[in-house]
Amino acid sequence: EADIYQTPRYLVIGTGKKITLECSQTMGHDKMYWYQQDPGMELHLIHYSYGVNSTEKGDLSSESTVSRIRTEHFPLTLESARPSHTSQYLCASSDKDGFSGNTIYFGEGSWLTVV
Amino acid sequence: LAKTTQPISMDSYEGQEVNITCSHNNIATNDYITWYQQFPSQGPRFIIQGYKTKVTNEVASLFIPADRKSSTLSLPRVSLSDTAVYYCLVGLLLFLIYNQGGKLIFGQGTELSVKP
Repeated sequence: EADIYQTPRYLVIGTGKKITLECSQTMGHDKMYWYQQDPGMELHLIHYSYGVNSTEKGDLSSESTVSRIRTEHFPLTLESARPSHTSQYLCASSDKDGFSGNTIYFGEGSWLTVV
Repeated sequence: LAKTTQPISMDSYEGQEVNITCSHNNIATNDYITWYQQFPSQGPRFIIQGYKTKVTNEVASLFIPADRKSSTLSLPRVSLSDTAVYYCLVGLLLFLIYNQGGKLIFGQGTELSVKP
């Protein structure tokens, strides 16, 4: 079983509030990702990281920001939440095996509702 | 990153074998083909991965022809609990020596519905 954890699982907050979604993995993976997924829709990559102090924006523009100060931790922050941010946010990590395809492990997701 | 095309949905009955084909015409030499399964309200779970020919594990088989422009996920004797969305991914998942890394882009997936 993959050791990647997200908190909170479910959250309802008011417009304008700041929120940080936590993601931690205990597998020592260098690469971590944040995806956004609306119900029944495809996954969209919004942020990724190659390692400590490395962060990049993904293919879907997002008003969120991320940081990678420690290998195991990749939090996502919304400074001022809006109803349009209502979605499921999935954190993932993968290893860096250079001689074969590697596997990406997902957390269970954080359901965010902004009212 | 290679673009993938899968059927949007498929229906099956319990006990049948299900084959889901994914097209990836512009797959690169170093690309691997990976399939994920996602249940509602959960994160995707790894099913199987391959580079060429056939790969089999306890869950599924993956068939990849010689030209690698498509792949077929085969689920033997499906049950109701196999109802899920199945994603085909093609890309370089390696952490390259020149630190470009890799990122995964998920397509729309195939929604498999297994009926009793």
